[in-house]
Amino acid sequence: DTGVSQNPRHKITKRGQNVTFRCDPISEHNRLYWYRQTLGQGPEFLTYFQNEAQLEKSRLLSDRFSAERPKGSFSTLEIQRTEQGDSAMYLCASSSGQGLDEQYFGPGTRLTVT
Amino acid sequence: DQQVKQNSPSLSVQEGRISILNCDYTNSMFDYFLWYKKYPAEGPTFLISISSIKDKNEDGRFTVFLNKSAKHLSLHIVPSQPGDSAVYFCAARALYSGAGSYQLTFGKGTKLSVIP
Repeated sequence: DTGVSQNPRHKITKRGQNVTFRCDPISEHNRLYWYRQTLGQGPEFLTYFQNEAQLEKSRLLSDRFSAERPKGSFSTLEIQRTEQGDSAMYLCASSSGQGLDEQYFGPGTRLTVT
Repeated sequence: DQQVKQNSPSLSVQEGRISILNCDYTNSMFDYFLWYKKYPAEGPTFLISISSIKDKNEDGRFTVFLNKSAKHLSLHIVPSQPGDSAVYFCAARALYSGAGSYQLTFGKGTKLSVIP
């Protein structure tokens, strides 16, 4: 399977705990994106990497959120001191940076904060 | 402020007929538009796209039309099949405008049900 993969697929955590998600993009893609989707809404942009550089961050990305892409391959998204409002589907996408640069999404990580 | 709007939360269509999904946008910097299809418990799957230099793009059963003056686009599926039943998201981006943004802005989606 050469698509975008995300782990874990589901995460249940208690309020106040830290969680970390991983995204492995399509291997030749140098651009990587994180989005968040809540019920009844479309995906909302969180942040963007070109190789290992984080070039764009949304105002939705509070200081409890941090994303990294240390070697320009996989990426991690960490949420510290989780709150119930963080419950959502966290989606990762990647693109090649060529042509029309379509973004291809992974299956997402469903986070439930109790 | 919703910059991309899909005003129909749901649509039901008979198998074999045409499905038309609509999308409106307000940001005049948007110049590249995409449609994604999403099944439950899966990520969005890229379907078709159109840039602002075109007014139509076709791929098999799927055609996207863009009306820049009205800031409106639509996705036509002909003929509709039961396997097309999913949530369809319209997304937009300022690709050529030099705004330097790589993010996609999505609508809230339209749930399409194709009835056998």
